[in-house]
Amino acid sequence: NAGVIQTPRHKVTGKGQEATLWCEPISGHSAVFWYRQTIVQGLEFLTYFRNQAPIDDSGMPKERFSAQMPNQSHSTLKIQSTQPQDSAVYLCASSFGGDERLFFGHGTKLSVL
Amino acid sequence: GQQVQQSPASLVLQEGENAELQCNFSSTATRLQWFYQHPGGRLVSLFYNPSGTKHTGRLTSTTVTNERRGSLHISSSQTTDSGTYFCAIAYAQGLTFGLGTRVSVFP
Repeated sequence: NAGVIQTPRHKVTGKGQEATLWCEPISGHSAVFWYRQTIVQGLEFLTYFRNQAPIDDSGMPKERFSAQMPNQSHSTLKIQSTQPQDSAVYLCASSFGGDERLFFGHGTKLSVL
Repeated sequence: GQQVQQSPASLVLQEGENAELQCNFSSTATRLQWFYQHPGGRLVSLFYNPSGTKHTGRLTSTTVTNERRGSLHISSSQTTDSGTYFCAIAYAQGLTFGLGTRVSVFP
């Protein structure tokens, strides 16, 4: 079991460009979470899927951020018109049942220049 | 919103010393979890502990639900224990994390 896989590990974009981040949860896990980590804000919840259905996206900046889970083996987080303040490590995690032990990927470090 | 407060913010230990990290939360909702993160590394789950006491090696997690607090005890600290320890509580929107306790263990 390779754990939660996130790609790419690092992404550099110019201001205004689009960034798509990928996550492959652990096989058999029904819940997938996206978080953002910065030094200033710490770990911020973004969105949560269970059995591929969006459950809660209350942490998502509504205008430019979107997340999908088209099948049980991957989820994507898309940021349109990236801004320097979007620079952060974006973390994906999965769990067996949603409110159980969470397993994180290595994260994608997004740098917006 | 729901809050998770960790203390201390940072801790410096000499190898061999014990330490206790605290986590306080604003709701009786728990399903408390502890995570460890080495600088630049991934978050690693240490404990899933809704209530009571659990042990793994030199680590002990204790959760007292009705007092809205949890603790992580590190015994006989080693330099490899250095990193940041996060407490997280499960609420309706998944986990809410504290800001972490940065632990530095020196030989």
